[in-house]
Amino acid sequence: NAGVTQTPKFQVLKTGQSMTLQCAQDMNHNSMYWYRQDPGMGLRLIYYSASEGTTDKGEVPNGYNVSRLNKREFSLRLESAAPSQTSVYFCASSARGVESEQYFGPGTRLTVT
Amino acid sequence: GENVEQHPSTLSVQEGDSAVIKCTYSDSASNYFPWYKQELGKGPQLIIDIRSNVGEKKDQRIAVTLNKTAKHFSLHITETQPEDSAVYFCAARTYGGSQGNLIFGKGTKLSVKP
Repeated sequence: NAGVTQTPKFQVLKTGQSMTLQCAQDMNHNSMYWYRQDPGMGLRLIYYSASEGTTDKGEVPNGYNVSRLNKREFSLRLESAAPSQTSVYFCASSARGVESEQYFGPGTRLTVT
Repeated sequence: GENVEQHPSTLSVQEGDSAVIKCTYSDSASNYFPWYKQELGKGPQLIIDIRSNVGEKKDQRIAVTLNKTAKHFSLHITETQPEDSAVYFCAARTYGGSQGNLIFGKGTKLSVKP
């Protein structure tokens, strides 16, 4: 099993450009999450999907959209990137919601200039 | 909403010593408290968790204690080894939205010196 995979690993965008971060898990998990990690800020939840077909906002959803494409895949889209979105983005999945172990991907380091 | 404070932000110990990281939370309804370890360049990984109906939980050299009255919980690592060097995050489950989510502390960078 690959666990949780994320693409790309690194990305540089100019202000105003758009991009989609891809995430896939092969553990048959129901729930998936997108976090951002900034220095000194810990992990903050952007969006999550409790189950296929549902999505909900987390702490910091502004400027992002998500799609739960199927049970395996959960993508994060930046429609018009801003320098404040420079961060490391982690995707995670869990079997049975927020109180079961979350398995994290390796992260995507995004820089917006 | 829930707020999780974590201390210290950095911690340096000698190999073989114990390390303690403390977190406080604000929402008395929180009932699930996981700890994650993040090694350099990797995603966080769960190392231990505790639920509010339990006061202490141990797993080999790692233990977590929970004081619901005071709303704080702590991670204890005994007989530290260089491979314990990492950033540790505490979290608390908050209620909101369709299932609530985890609120993370800001992390503690633990350095274990050989």
